[in-house]
Amino acid sequence: GQNIDQPTEMTATEGAIVQINCTYQTSGFNGLFWYQQHAGEAPTFLSYNVLDGLEEKGRFSSFLSRSKGYSYLLLKELQMKDSASYLCAVRDAGKLIFGQGTELSVKP
Amino acid sequence: DAGITQSPRYKITETGRQVTLMCHQTWSHSYMFWYRQDRGHGLRLIYYSAAADITDKGEVPDGYVVSRSKTENFPLTLESATRSQTSVYFCASRRILAGGPEGTQYFGPGTRLTVL
Repeated sequence: GQNIDQPTEMTATEGAIVQINCTYQTSGFNGLFWYQQHAGEAPTFLSYNVLDGLEEKGRFSSFLSRSKGYSYLLLKELQMKDSASYLCAVRDAGKLIFGQGTELSVKP
Repeated sequence: DAGITQSPRYKITETGRQVTLMCHQTWSHSYMFWYRQDRGHGLRLIYYSAAADITDKGEVPDGYVVSRSKTENFPLTLESATRSQTSVYFCASRRILAGGPEGTQYFGPGTRLTVL
């Protein structure tokens, strides 16, 4: 079966660092995506990992361990505008399988 | 650069009526996808299309019909709407390349559908 798990909600403080975890069990694996989705808007692409290790893009980093079926998204220097849902998605045979998403609230 | 658009953005209908949600992309992407998003379920794939006249079922296809006569359009039809189809519907597209970030899916703004 296909299963992708993320925490439902997280809260963090402006200026802090937060790590959003994602574990997956899928029949195939061709890469892992993170999307950001603000309330009432479409998901937008944040990062992509296909090999083990860390990918850094400004304040956002994403890590992958294929042997453990594990990824995380790290957000540094949190800003109020980072309040959103963060979706983990595994690509399997060209299709994306999404987790339920993690709703992040950034407090002043 | 219009990208990917959906219409209508909001729709209220009644049980048993037929409803068609439209999706249009200007990138000439080969692949197009329809998802529904519900609290507690995340994004679930309804149907997808690899090219004009080629469509295939996703995870939750029952009660939905799609067609793709032109590369740029991918309409989704609810033949007889039910309350359980109340949801937010997203259309997405990507280029033919499946590898790397070039295979990223890009999403339309969504259609919020309410079935009374």
